[in-house]
Amino acid sequence: DTEVTQTPKHLVMGMTNKKSLKCEQHMGHRAMYWYKQKAKKPPELMFVYSYEKLSINESVPSRFSPECPNSSLLNLHLHALQPEDSALYLCASSQDRQLGYTFGSGTRLTVV
Amino acid sequence: AQKVTQAQTEISVVEKEDVTLDCVYETRDTTYYLFWYKQPPSGELVFLIRRNSFDEQNEISGRYSWNFQKSTSSFNFTITASQVVDSAVYFCALRSGNTGKLIFGQGTTLQVKP
Repeated sequence: DTEVTQTPKHLVMGMTNKKSLKCEQHMGHRAMYWYKQKAKKPPELMFVYSYEKLSINESVPSRFSPECPNSSLLNLHLHALQPEDSALYLCASSQDRQLGYTFGSGTRLTVV
Repeated sequence: AQKVTQAQTEISVVEKEDVTLDCVYETRDTTYYLFWYKQPPSGELVFLIRRNSFDEQNEISGRYSWNFQKSTSSFNFTITASQVVDSAVYFCALRSGNTGKLIFGQGTTLQVKP
């Protein structure tokens, strides 16, 4: 298995909703990442987990809450989002932080 | 400061033409990694190549080739005999330090017309 699987592929949520994005990999990678990509822009790093511990938070608002329950799974909990949070959310993993990433196909989030 | 510049916002070519996508980077680190990713309309980022700062050997993979020149801080990507399926956004990215953070350029949208 050489993939990073993200679910759901599409999500529409209201500003008062609570939802979660899920990311899974079975490549034995020990670093996992969340990126946010707005339309016609490059991806921007949000969080880095290394060996299941949060190692980088790029000053992301608290309405985004990451969680790494185990080495294969990464979640992003969403609460009280704003319309400007609508974007493509990409998950990635790597064997370690020095090597190339494998990206998932992303979750397209729309906040209404 | 670390930065990646892709000066070409959009490129349009006709099928079978060769096309080069430019990438210029800035970093003060002596050890760093450079990447190219392809992002088709479906959204996923497809890994194309990784180069470390100590390996300036150019690489060819099928119709794709990469030219890494430390002297000019450039890592350019050439597609030979382009095809419609090459139409996508291409990102050049830099990783330096040990944070694992990828710094992306703004991307180049390549349109290959039949």
